[in-house]
Amino acid sequence: RKEVEQDPGPFNVPEGATVAFNCTYSNSASQSFFWYRQDCRKEPKLLMSVYSSGNEDGRFTAQLNRASQYISLLIRDSKLSDSATYLCVVNMGRGSTLGRLYFGRGTQLTVWP
Amino acid sequence: SQTIHQWPATLVQPVGSPLSLECTVEGTSNPNLYWYRQAAGRGLQLLFYSIGIDQISSEVPQNLSASRPQDRQFILSSKKLLLSDSGFYLCAWSLPQVPGGTLHFGNGTRLTVT
Repeated sequence: RKEVEQDPGPFNVPEGATVAFNCTYSNSASQSFFWYRQDCRKEPKLLMSVYSSGNEDGRFTAQLNRASQYISLLIRDSKLSDSATYLCVVNMGRGSTLGRLYFGRGTQLTVWP
Repeated sequence: SQTIHQWPATLVQPVGSPLSLECTVEGTSNPNLYWYRQAAGRGLQLLFYSIGIDQISSEVPQNLSASRPQDRQFILSSKKLLLSDSGFYLCAWSLPQVPGGTLHFGNGTRLTVT
């Protein structure tokens, strides 16, 4: 089983739609969780961290379910500029192993006018 | 402010040739440093990470190696490239005080092995 799994999509939605992505992770001891965004042929950039209580940043809402080991990202009122690949990232480090961040394969989103 | 520099941006190398990709970070001390690879149609694969000078962990067995000769310098090398080494290589850093903290990526090196 891969450390981090995502539905690769593609998700094709019209402007204004609401779309949700899920991600599952294998290590129950994982400590921190993130969503990154990657535009075509560019480096990934942090979209938002994911907290246990859930968090919202404008049109974006992230949720964490530790019991089921999954993370979600909800995008409301989709914009054309939201078209990108969304990467789920999990830190599998324990104690001092701070560097073990694992990426899912990404979910591709295309928003059409 | 912190910046990360990675070079070269693109590289075309024949099979069997050596490789050296360099990454430097400015504006922070003792960062965590990482090398990732993204093959075509695949996700980011963690290759190496480092929490300090000469402290490097390898995630996957392969013909690549990494070195950290200075605090803010991270080098990815190979003695003999394989066709399967083609991909998009990304260097990244994060703050050491924050467990699993935000990753800041360089612009990447697109390597094609022919």
